[in-house]
Amino acid sequence: SQQGEEDPQALSIQEGENATMNCSYKTSINNLQWYRQNSGRGLVHLILIRSNEREKHSGRLRVTLDTSKKSSSLLITASRAADTASYFCATVNTGGFKTIFGAGTRLFVKA
Amino acid sequence: ETGVTQTPRHLVMGMTNKKSLKCEQHLGHNAMYWYKQSAKKPLELMFVYSLEERVENNSVPSRFSPECPNSSHLFLHLHTLQPEDSALYLCASSQELGPNEKLFFGSGTQLSVL
Repeated sequence: SQQGEEDPQALSIQEGENATMNCSYKTSINNLQWYRQNSGRGLVHLILIRSNEREKHSGRLRVTLDTSKKSSSLLITASRAADTASYFCATVNTGGFKTIFGAGTRLFVKA
Repeated sequence: ETGVTQTPRHLVMGMTNKKSLKCEQHLGHNAMYWYKQSAKKPLELMFVYSLEERVENNSVPSRFSPECPNSSHLFLHLHTLQPEDSALYLCASSQELGPNEKLFFGSGTQLSVL
């Protein structure tokens, strides 16, 4: 069953611009994670933010979490053509262990 | 390289065939997962194993049969599949089975059922 829903479904930007992707979910969560997938490949874990955290950084990535609105955002700063991929949010419900993924945002960064 | 290897990378099979997908992880993890990724749909969790014991079968049809002989290997046995089963099948592992584990994915097997 789908938990997170990403917005937008697709995003096209110029190299150097920032990319923002949003994720909304429905139930109480333990944590929210973001993953990246290059075309036809497996997913790669980017960052995990716990339910008691509001913001987290990793390199050019910045993730925010608003549990009152049940939403998260992923910001990629100074994007590069190599950032072209699909990005997925994933959640684990409170008390659970299953990682449930959203449908993803396809990001295209033009050189 | 994520430490999770899936074979084959591509598989074409007829509806009456029997085939198996293989996943091997070299990370010393104790939990393994099968996910299905169909075009324009979210990843669907199929099966979860922890220390070789199946802990989750997410209402998957019996034509998919998982096997976990040890904590490093996971198989998905396929028989009498339907065309709608065509998808990318992804294997993943995590250190333990728990709420704050991150998943390490293989590159997947792209399955086409004719």
